[in-house]
Amino acid sequence: DTEVTQTPKHLVMGMTNKKSLKCEQHMGHRAMYWYKQKAKKPPELMFVYSYEKLSINESVPSRFSPECPNSSLLNLHLHALQPEDSALYLCASRPPGQGNTEAFFGQGTRLTVV
Amino acid sequence: GDSVTQMEGPVTLSEEAFLTINCTYTATGYPSLFWYVQYPGEGLQLLLKATKADDKGSNKGFEATYRKETTSFHLEKGSVQVSDSAVYFCALSDHNYGQNFVFGPGTRLSVLP
Repeated sequence: DTEVTQTPKHLVMGMTNKKSLKCEQHMGHRAMYWYKQKAKKPPELMFVYSYEKLSINESVPSRFSPECPNSSLLNLHLHALQPEDSALYLCASRPPGQGNTEAFFGQGTRLTVV
Repeated sequence: GDSVTQMEGPVTLSEEAFLTINCTYTATGYPSLFWYVQYPGEGLQLLLKATKADDKGSNKGFEATYRKETTSFHLEKGSVQVSDSAVYFCALSDHNYGQNFVFGPGTRLSVLP
C-alpha cells in the first residue's frame, strides 16, 4: 500500500463551523505533513509531525489545530475559519530524518469557507 | 534559507515538441532534488529525483541531472504528449534538515494536439 488517503475530498463550511480533515497512511512512515495550496501557487508547509510529535509549526493561526493520534493517522481540526482559508489542503508522509526520500502526497481536500 | 527558482510559464508546446523546464536552487546544506507533477484537481506525484551530484533521475521519458556546479536540476523530455499537460514543481530537501521540502513556484505546461 503506497497511498496517502485524505477525507473528505471536498468540504464547504461556514465561518462558525467546526470540521476536521483526515489523512491516513499505512506505509510505516513516521513523518506526516500538512500543506496548504492556493490556486496557481506551490504547496505551503503548515505542520510536520515526526514520531507523532509536532516538530514544525510554520506560525499557522490557531484556528487550525493539528492532531496525530497514532503513526498512521493525521487530523487537521478547523474552527472559525475565514474565506481566505479556502484552498486545497494536502497531506503527505515520508520516512523521517531521511532527506533523500520523497514525500507521498494525498489527493487533497478542497476546502471552501463561506 | 534554502530556495528554488524555476521558470513559471505558462509553457505551451505542440505535441512531440522538446521540453525543458529550468530549475535552480540555493541551499546551505547538501540537498536532494525532486520534480513533482500535479494534474488538475489532484495531489502531487513524484516524477523523478536525484540525491547526489551528477545523478540523473528519469521516469516516463522525463530526465533531470543534478548539477552541483551550476546548482541546477533542469527537467527535459524529448517528445511531449497532450497527457503531459500539468503543473511541474521543482523541490529540494536538505540532508541535514530533512524534514521539509522547499518547492519552486511551479511551471504550468500545456501541450496542444
